[in-house]
Amino acid sequence: GNSVTQMEGPVTLSEEAFLTINCTYTATGYPSLFWYVQYPGEGLQLLLKATKADDKGSNKGFEATYRKETTSFHLEKGSVQVSDSAVYFCALRVDSWGKLQFGAGTQVVVTP
Amino acid sequence: DAGITQSPRHKVTETGTPVTLRCHQTENHRYMYWYRQDPGHGLRLIHYSYGVKDTDKGEVSDGYSVSRSKTEDFLLTLESATSSQTSVYFCAISEGGYLMNTEAFFGQGTRLTVV
Repeated sequence: GNSVTQMEGPVTLSEEAFLTINCTYTATGYPSLFWYVQYPGEGLQLLLKATKADDKGSNKGFEATYRKETTSFHLEKGSVQVSDSAVYFCALRVDSWGKLQFGAGTQVVVTP
Repeated sequence: DAGITQSPRHKVTETGTPVTLRCHQTENHRYMYWYRQDPGHGLRLIHYSYGVKDTDKGEVSDGYSVSRSKTEDFLLTLESATSSQTSVYFCAISEGGYLMNTEAFFGQGTRLTVV
């Protein structure tokens, strides 16, 4: 079956530090990959996506590259801000119904 | 922001009672989904709909039913609530499931507590 594995949190960083959140997946077929972000008390928002191997998704200073050879989609940001404190979810979609398979989520806490 | 409204936003109910959560969209998207969010599990799909009166089960459908009588409304019913159904429930919509790069938009969530 399909699955997504994320590094466990919480991840605590100082402002301006480099952030990496690891995400690996198992999937049949050719999945599309997503990172969603959830700010406290809110729903999920799409952060970035990639639909085929070697695609790089980017948004708000975050980047992730779809690596088929390592089945990974790691999220990175070069200099985090306090406002980046949130829970980050890696997800994949493999079928035509648009169903998403999520990782467990990684809480990121950025301190001033 | 995508026009998705979930109601109620918070609910406390007793074990054994039926509960219905509502998701209303103003985007005219074909696909609608119900997920539950639990610590350590991320979000898991309960049921989804690919059109009016067209629904199917997701990963964790036991104890839940859904209905979609209009494009804009997708109802989730807990037939007899149990404590294991205490969770945060999210509705999502998508314009076209067959378009692999179509994103899903999420509602604000409903926090349900079963006591």
